[in-house]
Amino acid sequence: DAGVIQSPRHEVTEMGQEVTLRCKPISGHNSLFWYRQTMMRGLELLIYFNNNVPIDDSGMPEDRFSAKMPNASFSTLKIQPSEPRDSAVYFCASSFQRKAFFGQGTRLTVV
Amino acid sequence: DQQVKQNSPSLSVQEGRISILNCDYTNSMFDYFLWYKKYPAEGPTFLISISSIKDKNEDGRFTVFLNKSAKHLSLHIVPSQPGDSAVYFCAAAFGNEKLTFGTGTRLTIIP
Repeated sequence: DAGVIQSPRHEVTEMGQEVTLRCKPISGHNSLFWYRQTMMRGLELLIYFNNNVPIDDSGMPEDRFSAKMPNASFSTLKIQPSEPRDSAVYFCASSFQRKAFFGQGTRLTVV
Repeated sequence: DQQVKQNSPSLSVQEGRISILNCDYTNSMFDYFLWYKKYPAEGPTFLISISSIKDKNEDGRFTVFLNKSAKHLSLHIVPSQPGDSAVYFCAAAFGNEKLTFGTGTRLTIIP
């Protein structure tokens, strides 16, 4: 298996633009997570899906953030409009038997 | 509210000596704990885990200790090797797949 695949690896965008991050989880994993890594908070959980259904989105910072999982093999995290404070590394992970496997992350820079 | 805390942002250890990374948690409902290792520009990778019914789990050079009464876990690496230089995250879970992570400790092994 190729592991969790995220795209793009790097994204530079201007403030106010829409940004969409993509994730393909490992086949057979029924849970998917979006995390954001910051120096202050470490790995911060944004949203968690189980069987494609959002279970916990309490970590989503504000209404500018939204996430979807239309099927078991694809998820998106969208920021609209983006702001400089959204600059961070965003990780997608899928899990099986309580072990999460992470993608390589998307480094987002909003200028 | 940080439910999982890693109070040491960094740690330096001589090659060949023991590295001890610490983690504290506040939620007594957590029943499963994990350690992840992260290299720059990569996603975190699973290292070792422990269930709350145990107090020790060993895998090669890595041993995790759990002290439930103190709500404390630690990761011991012995002997430490240069390739162990990375950021280490502890994580905790209860009931479902959702993992709560600490802020990480940067371990540097000095040759």
